[in-house]
Amino acid sequence: GAVVSQHPSRVICKSGTSVKIECRSLDFQATTMFWYRQFPKQSLMLMATSNEGSKATYEQGVEKDKFLINHASLTLSTLTVTSAHPEDSSFYICSARDYLLAGGSHEQFFGPGTRLTVL
Amino acid sequence: EDKVVQSPLSLVVHEGDTVTLNCSYEVTNFRSLLWYKQEKKAPTFLFMLTSSGIEKKSGRLSSILDKKELSSILNITATQTGDSAIYLCAVGPVYNQGGKLIFGQGTELSVKP
Repeated sequence: GAVVSQHPSRVICKSGTSVKIECRSLDFQATTMFWYRQFPKQSLMLMATSNEGSKATYEQGVEKDKFLINHASLTLSTLTVTSAHPEDSSFYICSARDYLLAGGSHEQFFGPGTRLTVL
Repeated sequence: EDKVVQSPLSLVVHEGDTVTLNCSYEVTNFRSLLWYKQEKKAPTFLFMLTSSGIEKKSGRLSSILDKKELSSILNITATQTGDSAIYLCAVGPVYNQGGKLIFGQGTELSVKP
């Protein structure tokens, strides 16, 4: 089946630093990638949708200058948390979707997630 | 505003029990409903439902959609401890919204031996 990887799986950083998280589709071309964050015992909150080669669409309340998303190729999207603060600590999950693979449906394939801890 | 509501939020059962998880939605131009299972890491896909009344089945898990009632149920029979997880329901609005999904809060299922 379709496989999505994320790197790193876990990162601890100091307040004020920037952290980059990579999301890769390993065996398919992801026309669209989604970035979510999840707090403990809560559901997935969509942060932004990115289509290859175009600017990401951010959900209401998500600061685009804070969470920089780049989707430069059909297999790679990156999320950079700039000037991270303790409140940015969370579980970040990406998912990928291929229009052709999904047959026009909404099936997304999720990466394993990245646990970010900001000290 | 589009929303997806799951119930119950948490559930504790014993091995061998049957459970039914509920998902209701209010979404403009509904297209599909998906169920995911989430253990320690990212969600894994279970089912996608688009048509009302057609049951999808995989082993001890089954799910059905009721478009009239704007809801879906996920059944797990003969539960095992390995079924302990958060079960997420998500709804996809029309394709031209970029294929994004709206997730419910999840149901945390705990199966005791």
